[in-house]
Amino acid sequence: EDQVTQSPEALRLQEGESSSLNCSYTVSGLRGLFWYRQDPGKGPEFLFTLYSAGEEKEKERLKATLTKKESFLHITAPKPEDSATYLCAVQIQAGTALIFGKGTTLSVSS
Amino acid sequence: GAGVSQSPSNKVTEKGKDVELRCDPISGHTALYWYRQSLGQGLEFLIYFQGNSAPDKSGLPSDRFSAERTGGSVSTLTIQRTQQEDSAVYLCASSQGRFSGNTIYFGEGSWLTVV
Repeated sequence: EDQVTQSPEALRLQEGESSSLNCSYTVSGLRGLFWYRQDPGKGPEFLFTLYSAGEEKEKERLKATLTKKESFLHITAPKPEDSATYLCAVQIQAGTALIFGKGTTLSVSS
Repeated sequence: GAGVSQSPSNKVTEKGKDVELRCDPISGHTALYWYRQSLGQGLEFLIYFQGNSAPDKSGLPSDRFSAERTGGSVSTLTIQRTQQEDSAVYLCASSQGRFSGNTIYFGEGSWLTVV
């Protein structure tokens, strides 16, 4: 069964304290791995797509990396505005639905 | 508009009533998805439309749920005889299509409460 697992479920950081979120997957094939950010009461906001092992993408304080079994979302020197739930999803084949993990809720305090 | 538009943003309905949720995808996007997000749960796939192909309905939880997409654009998700367990956020998403870029963009969701 195709499965996506995110850890930890919740993470509390102090402003400036860097850390990483994990997304591990067990799937029959990988077309792409997606990271989204979701604020309370809002729809998921697209961050990155990664397609192959070794690929990395960056956006401001966020960097996503991909291996054959997992992806990491590294957050460098986070700020309170980075507080949100971060969702990871995989797409098995082109044009099929994304399979989501349950997310990691990040809280950054000043 | 520039993004995926959903309406209503909030809906409170009585148990047993039917509800319709609307999604207007990004202009030019041929792929459209419906997901459900219950409190504390991940996103659950419901149904997927791609162009004129038959929709993938494999995620619909029961025959009370149905969806249609008219003219390859606007989609309506219908829930008949609503139950309390149907209370959730219903999210719509769209993408350019199967082969021409697959970044999937979400709307803000329709919050459904069944009382």
